[in-house]
Amino acid sequence: SQQGEEDPQALSIQEGENATMNCSYKTSINNLQWYRQNSGRGLVHLILIRSNEREKHSGRLRVTLDTSKKSSSLLITASRAADTASYFCAAAGADSSYKLIFGSGTRLLVRP
Amino acid sequence: DADVTQTPRNRITKTGKRIMLECSQTKGHDRMYWYRQDPGLGLRLIYYSFDVKDINKGEISDGYSVSRQAQAKFSLSLESAIPNQTALYFCATSKRGMEETQYFGPGTRLLVL
Repeated sequence: SQQGEEDPQALSIQEGENATMNCSYKTSINNLQWYRQNSGRGLVHLILIRSNEREKHSGRLRVTLDTSKKSSSLLITASRAADTASYFCAAAGADSSYKLIFGSGTRLLVRP
Repeated sequence: DADVTQTPRNRITKTGKRIMLECSQTKGHDRMYWYRQDPGLGLRLIYYSFDVKDINKGEISDGYSVSRQAQAKFSLSLESAIPNQTALYFCATSKRGMEETQYFGPGTRLLVL
């Protein structure tokens, strides 16, 4: 399988705490994207980081990318109960950026 | 109105039956995709299309076929459904040249008995 790995598989934190999720991938990439999925629903794009970028911010989200280690992390700061969802990384291949290879996802539970 | 719609949202069928899942989009995107998601796993690509009459196999195309009837419509068919095709199916779209951010439909939950 080409699927990436995400770590941890599940994460439970208290509201207000930070949540960090990690992703590893196998191919050379054009970019790395993070998506959010509320239970049983479609995925929603959160943030994209290009292969020549190392860090990117969007509101309470911070993404890092280490292409030498083929890994990325997503940090959600000051988490809220509404952040409860599954989070997936998706690697866009260097030769075929339209083809996303998804990780297995991290299930985040934010307790009020 | 949702930009990417899927019908039906839920479907129960029996082994051996042929079924079709439909996807429509109003985003004006040229690229469309079909994925399946199994419990606890990420999405896997079944088929994708860059334009009408352009069809490409993804990672797991066996047992599936697709049709791109118009730029806005992309259908997925299971020719003879089997129980291990029970899954959540998602359609997605993207626009060429927009760094391939994909926009997903709400999904179709399929149960094959």
